[in-house]
Amino acid sequence: KAGVTQTPRYLIKTRGQQVTLSCSPISGHRSVSWYQQTPGQGLQFLFEYFSETQRNKGNFPGRFSGRQFSNSRSEMNVSTLELGDSALYLCASSLSSGVGNEQFFGPGTRLTVL
Amino acid sequence: SQQGEEDPQALSIQEGENATMNCSYKTSINNLQWYRQNSGRGLVHLILIRSNEREKHSGRLRVTLDTSKKSSSLLITASRAADTASYFCATDERHNFNKFYFGSGTKLNVKP
Repeated sequence: KAGVTQTPRYLIKTRGQQVTLSCSPISGHRSVSWYQQTPGQGLQFLFEYFSETQRNKGNFPGRFSGRQFSNSRSEMNVSTLELGDSALYLCASSLSSGVGNEQFFGPGTRLTVL
Repeated sequence: SQQGEEDPQALSIQEGENATMNCSYKTSINNLQWYRQNSGRGLVHLILIRSNEREKHSGRLRVTLDTSKKSSSLLITASRAADTASYFCATDERHNFNKFYFGSGTKLNVKP
């Protein structure tokens, strides 16, 4: 079974631009979560989608948004990029939205904002 | 916040030795997961332990969970140079089980 895939793997943008990152979960997985990892803040939860609905949200500004499609693929969008948005963005999928489901992570997209 | 804390922040051992990492958290959980990350790459899922379990094994890994102390430990036995990585614990919340909180991680260096 193929793992979680994320595209692109690397991205360089300038302040003020917007960016869209893509995540394809493991086949059959319906829950997709997004995390931001920075050296200063560590791994922080952005949001989780299940069946095209956002079920959980972290403490990030409205510039961070996401969506999930009917095939469970997910995208996250960051608008009006700031230098502090430079980070590794990780996507994780799990089988369903129930308790005790293991989350499997993709390789991440490294975003650099100049 | 629920965010867990790993201890120690860094650990350096010789190949063949055992490595123990600890994780503490703040509120009631449904389950706790341990992950490994190599050099800023994706996280590899190691093991999940449910709140009603006390110990779990997977190969050279042994995880314990003490919900009364709100803590967990990960033991890697007979470590190898390839185990060099950062290790994170992730916890959910009792009433919000798909929102995970990660600690800052333990950086393990296994010297050949």
